[in-house]
Amino acid sequence: GAVVSQHPSRVICKSGTSVKIECRSLDFQATTMFWYRQFPKQSLMLMATSNEGSKATYEQGVEKDKFLINHASLTLSTLTVTSAHPEDSSFYICSARDQRTGLAYEQYFGPGTRLTVT
Amino acid sequence: GNSVTQMEGPVTLSEEAFLTINCTYTATGYPSLFWYVQYPGEGLQLLLKATKADDKGSNKGFEATYRKETTSFHLEKGSVQVSDSAVYFCALSGAQGAQKLVFGQGTRLTINP
Repeated sequence: GAVVSQHPSRVICKSGTSVKIECRSLDFQATTMFWYRQFPKQSLMLMATSNEGSKATYEQGVEKDKFLINHASLTLSTLTVTSAHPEDSSFYICSARDQRTGLAYEQYFGPGTRLTVT
Repeated sequence: GNSVTQMEGPVTLSEEAFLTINCTYTATGYPSLFWYVQYPGEGLQLLLKATKADDKGSNKGFEATYRKETTSFHLEKGSVQVSDSAVYFCALSGAQGAQKLVFGQGTRLTINP
């Protein structure tokens, strides 16, 4: 099946710094990628949807200047958390799908990245 | 807006026990319903799905039936195994083929030998 990887799996950064998380589709072309965050004992919440070569669409309440998303190629999307604060500590998960071949709901998920801001 | 509520965990069972994880939803129109499973250290995987009322999704011994009258999609398995230990997420995708998935909070299941 389709595989999506994320890097790093865990990252600790200091308050005020920026951190970049990568999401790669390994064996298919991801025309659309989704970024989610998950707080402990809570649902995955969709942050943004990105289509290759165009600007990301952010969900209501998500600061686009704080969470920068770049989907520059059909296999890579990056999420940069800028000027991170302790409240940004969370589990970030990406998913990817190929709109040209997949059904609307077929998304393949990465294993997630645990971000801790100290 | 659309929402999903699922049974809070953690759930701990003995091997070969019967499993039910409850899931109810709120949505406009006719959503598609899903169960995802996340094994330790891995990404979420689609376990089963149902796209219209009264459909039954099934996979790996798990089943769930799309009940529109009760807005439910409960996950069941007749005899669980240790290898079923994972976190299970109920989710829906809105009508008109919308891509966005709305998830429940997840239920951690542990099966003891």
